[in-house]
Amino acid sequence: AAGVIQSPRHLIKEKRETATLKCYPIPRHDTVYWYQQGPGQDPQFLISFYEKMQSDKGSIPDRFSAQQFSDYHSELNMSSLELGDSALYFCASSSSSLAYEQYFGPGTRLTVT
Amino acid sequence: AQSVTQLGSHVSVSEGALVLLRCNYSSSVPPYLFWYVQYPNQGLQLLLKYTSAATLVKGINGFEAEFKKSETSFHLTKPSAHMSDEDEYFCAVSYGNNRLAFGKGNQVVVIP
Repeated sequence: AAGVIQSPRHLIKEKRETATLKCYPIPRHDTVYWYQQGPGQDPQFLISFYEKMQSDKGSIPDRFSAQQFSDYHSELNMSSLELGDSALYFCASSSSSLAYEQYFGPGTRLTVT
Repeated sequence: AQSVTQLGSHVSVSEGALVLLRCNYSSSVPPYLFWYVQYPNQGLQLLLKYTSAATLVKGINGFEAEFKKSETSFHLTKPSAHMSDEDEYFCAVSYGNNRLAFGKGNQVVVIP
């Protein structure tokens, strides 16, 4: 079965640079969620989109923005990167008919040096 | 704020013994509850979920969990631990806004 695709899988950036993470949800899933997992930490909710509209917002820094496109893929844009942004970023998707059942992608590991 | 508590970052269990991972949530309103497993450097896979149907939920890989409203708990169990169970397990809660709030996680260590 098709799963959530995230790209790139690994990304190395320097401080103050920008990064763009991409997420392709499972076909026919209309909701996308972003989570951030710091080293040795539990995943923290950042933001979610339903039908291309922001549906919920968590602890996402103002330096980050995200959007969902007409094909339902989503991008997380991160600017003025800081060392503390180094983390595993997960995307998850769900169908509105089973909104509580989220399927996670493999994650993008971002390292800021 | 919705929250879930998992005690003990590492849980050691002998091979063949019962695996028990504890999860408690803090709310008077029963939420949706989930257990996820995280494989090394990979994403999270759903093991099982409680969504107000049966209180005893069976999941993949021989795991099951029981929702107990009186104890605000959703503990995860597996009758017999295998070496392949050595992963990190997260309990998570959702109250209908769909965002998941995770516990701190338990790293299971299986002792041969």
